[in-house]
Amino acid sequence: GAGVSQSPSNKVTEKGKDVELRCDPISGHTALYWYRQSLGQGLEFLIYFQGNSAPDKSGLPSDRFSAERTGGSVSTLTIQRTQQEDSAVYLCASSLFGTGSYEQYFGPGTRLTVT
Amino acid sequence: RKEVEQDPGPFNVPEGATVAFNCTYSNSASQSFFWYRQDCRKEPKLLMSVYSSGNEDGRFTAQLNRASQYISLLIRDSKLSDSATYLCVVKPGGYQKVTFGTGTKLQVIP
Repeated sequence: GAGVSQSPSNKVTEKGKDVELRCDPISGHTALYWYRQSLGQGLEFLIYFQGNSAPDKSGLPSDRFSAERTGGSVSTLTIQRTQQEDSAVYLCASSLFGTGSYEQYFGPGTRLTVT
Repeated sequence: RKEVEQDPGPFNVPEGATVAFNCTYSNSASQSFFWYRQDCRKEPKLLMSVYSSGNEDGRFTAQLNRASQYISLLIRDSKLSDSATYLCVVKPGGYQKVTFGTGTKLQVIP
């Protein structure tokens, strides 16, 4: 079946512009996660959705970052007034449930470059 | 102290060698543990879950030590294709996020 998809795969934007990153999780997966990974670094947790609600948004680095999930499916991560330090690969993952030992399936990521 | 800590490596080992990585975690309430593998410029993929009694999958063995709060991954008879970064993942119970370690880089040399 279809895996997690993300769009766009690459995004180059000018400093100060807003960007929207999209994640389509695996159908039926209730939990959805956003991470970011800078070059050569580990995964940085951003936000976690269970259904349409976000029990944990503690990883969002500033109020320029926001995310929503509608219909328990697609999620959008929005970065306003982008800065150069926002450049990274943004990864989305989904799992069947948010509890228990459920595997996270990752999308291929969106590579964001802020010039 | 970081929630999840790993030695970043790199571990450079010859083909056929046995190599082991540890990962320590700080939250004693953690309930689920995993090892993920991430190839260069690719997304992470689940390698194996880690069970309390330890578990094996072919050349890979995972162990959990709750008393000392660490998990380990042992790779026997290393192959060139094992070269990757290995990420330790820890999850508390309930609706709480998972935490990824920063990863241990393994390079298997011919």
